[in-house]
Amino acid sequence: GAVVSQHPSRVICKSGTSVKIECRSLDFQATTMFWYRQFPKQSLMLMATSNEGSKATYEQGVEKDKFLINHASLTLSTLTVTSAHPEDSSFYICSANGGGRGTTDTQYFGPGTRLTVL
Amino acid sequence: GDSVTQMEGPVTLSEEAFLTINCTYTATGYPSLFWYVQYPGEGLQLLLKATKADDKGSNKGFEATYRKETTSFHLEKGSVQVSDSAVYFCALRRGAQKLVFGQGTRLTINP
Repeated sequence: GAVVSQHPSRVICKSGTSVKIECRSLDFQATTMFWYRQFPKQSLMLMATSNEGSKATYEQGVEKDKFLINHASLTLSTLTVTSAHPEDSSFYICSANGGGRGTTDTQYFGPGTRLTVL
Repeated sequence: GDSVTQMEGPVTLSEEAFLTINCTYTATGYPSLFWYVQYPGEGLQLLLKATKADDKGSNKGFEATYRKETTSFHLEKGSVQVSDSAVYFCALRRGAQKLVFGQGTRLTINP
């Protein structure tokens, strides 16, 4: 089946620094990619939806200047956590839609990135 | 707003035991319902889905029936294997809107 990769799988950074997480669709073109955040023992919360070549759509309560999303190509989306603080520590998961813009039945998920901010 | 509630884990069973993971939802209208599975070190994978009331989704021996009267979509398997150890997520989607996930249930099967 379709494969989505994330890099890095885990990252530890100091407070105040910025961290970039990459999400790649390895064997298909993804017109839409999604970024989720997961806290321990809690569900995945959608942060934003990004369409290739256009600005990301952020969910209510998600700071777009804090979480910068760039979907520059049909196989790559990046999430940059700017000026990270300990409360940004979390598990970030991306998914890619190979079934056409707007549909979510065929979302393929990456393995996630564990971010720890000291 | 829409929400999904799963039974809390972790759940530990012996091989060949019967499995039920409860899932209930709150949503207006008629959402589609999903079960996703996440094996260690891998991304979430769609396990099964149902798009209307009384539909039964099935895959790899797992089943779940869309029960509108009880707003439930419980996951069942008659005889679990060690390889079924994973985290299971129940989710819903209304129309073309976003997926809403439950909190996940960690399942461990002992040989």
